[in-house]
Amino acid sequence: EAGVAQSPRYKIIEKRQSVAFWCNPISGHATLYWYQQILGQGPKLLIQFQNNGVVDDSQLPKDRFSAERLKGVDSTLKIQPAKLEDSAVYLCASSLLSPGFWSYNEQFFGPGTRLTVL
Amino acid sequence: SQQGEEDPQALSIQEGENATMNCSYKTSINNLQWYRQNSGRGLVHLILIRSNEREKHSGRLRVTLDTSKKSSSLLITASQAADTASYFCATDANAGGTSYGKLTFGQGTILTVHP
Repeated sequence: EAGVAQSPRYKIIEKRQSVAFWCNPISGHATLYWYQQILGQGPKLLIQFQNNGVVDDSQLPKDRFSAERLKGVDSTLKIQPAKLEDSAVYLCASSLLSPGFWSYNEQFFGPGTRLTVL
Repeated sequence: SQQGEEDPQALSIQEGENATMNCSYKTSINNLQWYRQNSGRGLVHLILIRSNEREKHSGRLRVTLDTSKKSSSLLITASQAADTASYFCATDANAGGTSYGKLTFGQGTILTVHP
C-alpha cells in the first residue's frame, strides 16, 4: 500500500517569499491533516480536513497560511509571506475516521517537508 | 499549546534493558496514542489505547493508561539499537463524547539505545 506522499522534501527560501507544499494522502482516507513541527518539539496541528471540508483550523495563522483540499484528495499548504519562525518540518497525515465515541484514529504520516526561511 | 508532557525528556540505556516513558495530559480524552519518529522512517504510529482500557500490549511494547491521574506510560522491553528514536504521546480529546480525530502531541522523549 502506498503511503502519504509529500513534496518537496526540502525547501529554502528568504523571508517574505511564498512557498507551497503538496500532499497526496493514502487512497480512501477521508481525513487529512497538516502539522508543523519545530525542531525539538512535537507536531502541532495546523488544519484538519474531512473530505474537502475544514474540520479544524483553529491553530492556522490565517494571515499568512492557507490550505485547500480540492476534490477531497490532494492538498496544498501555502505560506505567504514567510517569516523566520516558519522554519520547521511540515507534516501531512491521513486517516480513516469513524465519527463517534469509540472511533479509531491511527494517523499515517508522510516524510515531511523541511522548510528553512533565511 | 501541547497537551501531553513526556518524561523524561531524554533516556539513554544499553541494549537489552527496558525503557519506560511517561506522559501526562490535562483534559478528558477519547484515546491516547504513542508514535515513534526517527530520521529513517518518519513518524510512525505504535499503539492506541482507548479511555476505557487500562493496559495494552503490542510485541515488545506495553502501554498503560490511568485516566484518574491523566497519565500514560510506554514500556519497551528488551530494547534494541533500532529502537533509538523520539517517542511522542498524542491525545485525542473527548469533546462531549465524540472524537473528531484531532491529536495533540507532547514534546517527546528522546531514547538512545547503545549497542
